[in-house]
Amino acid sequence: DSGVTQTPKHLITATGQRVTLRCSPRSGDLSVYWYQQSLDQGLQFLIQYYNGEERAKGNILERFSAQQFPDLHSELNLSSLELGDSALYFCASSVDGFSYEQYFGPGTRLTVT
Amino acid sequence: DQQVKQNSPSLSVQEGRISILNCDYTNSMFDYFLWYKKYPAEGPTFLISISSIKDKNEDGRFTVFLNKSAKHLSLHIVPSQPGDSAVYFCAAKIGGSQGNLIFGKGTKLSVKP
Repeated sequence: DSGVTQTPKHLITATGQRVTLRCSPRSGDLSVYWYQQSLDQGLQFLIQYYNGEERAKGNILERFSAQQFPDLHSELNLSSLELGDSALYFCASSVDGFSYEQYFGPGTRLTVT
Repeated sequence: DQQVKQNSPSLSVQEGRISILNCDYTNSMFDYFLWYKKYPAEGPTFLISISSIKDKNEDGRFTVFLNKSAKHLSLHIVPSQPGDSAVYFCAAKIGGSQGNLIFGKGTKLSVKP
């Protein structure tokens, strides 16, 4: 158990809909990262937050957004969903914004039908 | 454009023998490399890492070798155990940047009893 929690575990929704994925980092970790893993792909970095502020952006679509709240949990919002958004979404946390070692949650499997 | 490549999608090894997982990279700005292990329905778990100023790092049965001139790293597992069966991801980080990691697509290791 990494100490990072993600909810929900599974999510099935229709095209055009909007969903919110939630992540709670390990106790004491200030930085949260979101990654997407599509079928047969490696993990693709989406976005990073540190202590409530956005720190880095990867290949995140404009339809996707995220935020980190004062209690340090984070939410990833995906809107106008398309079939191609079906993937595993992982959240990871680290002590600071530069740490090489990140602790991953179990992921949320999103299926868009 | 894949900056971190794991060209073998799968590897099968007999219990007790050595497992060698390979990873190639293209970006000479990478200064830190990590290996993560992932079991089904779980998030990736940090396994071992190496700084670009080293050429070898060892942790128990796991050793990572880095060849900077060839832009190649490998993970050696000796002896391999059935519990090592998992997907192994190679990841890299650009020096001086925020903490987001760039992952390969993974290699599925099967260790047969």
